Amino acid sequence: DAGITQSPRHKVTETGTPVTLRCHQTENHRYMYWYRQDPGHGLRLIHYSYGVKDTDKGEVSDGYSVSRSKTEDFLLTLESATSSQTSVYFCAISVFGNTEAFFGQGTRLTVV
Amino acid sequence: GQQVMQIPQYQHVQEGEDFTTYCNSSTTLSNIQWYKQRPGGHPVFLIQLVKSGEVKKQKRLTFQFGEAKKNSSLHITATQTTDVGTYFCGVGGSEKLVFGKGTKLTVNP
Repeated sequence: DAGITQSPRHKVTETGTPVTLRCHQTENHRYMYWYRQDPGHGLRLIHYSYGVKDTDKGEVSDGYSVSRSKTEDFLLTLESATSSQTSVYFCAISVFGNTEAFFGQGTRLTVV
Repeated sequence: GQQVMQIPQYQHVQEGEDFTTYCNSSTTLSNIQWYKQRPGGHPVFLIQLVKSGEVKKQKRLTFQFGEAKKNSSLHITATQTTDVGTYFCGVGGSEKLVFGKGTKLTVNP
């Protein structure tokens, strides 16, 4: 498996609290992505990064922000968590934007 | 942005039956990728198709890219219980990779 680690793997948080999920890679890949996976919706792109400090929105970016200050780390922040953000979050990395992506193990987030 | 429709959403088969999932786009794709996600797992890359009309095989799996590069299919011959999971197609633009909703395959032994 590619060197990609998500933390935490599981988290329960209360509505209104900030939450940060971390994706760490050891592959030095340029592209990093955050997806959320919900039943019936597949994998939906939240934000992605194409380099250090270079990020852009995906299809479901409202309520989320990201940062990438180093090649190896891509952080996803929920500024004020809501129950609708309960989901499984996957980070992925790729060399280019249209090549094979490697996924992390996922983070199961529950907002109560 | 690029979008891709994937059908069916669910498919239940008896072990030994064949299975096919389809992805369709309204725009011409530069390439298409296929991934498999086992229950409780993360998506794992299977293959990438780039050329018009391309056909690739991996054991019992056959992947096709349409002549117009707007559709693709994944066909599994004689399914086994190890094939269970959700199959996703992914399409990449210049920078971002987006996915179809996936087809969840269950196999009855």
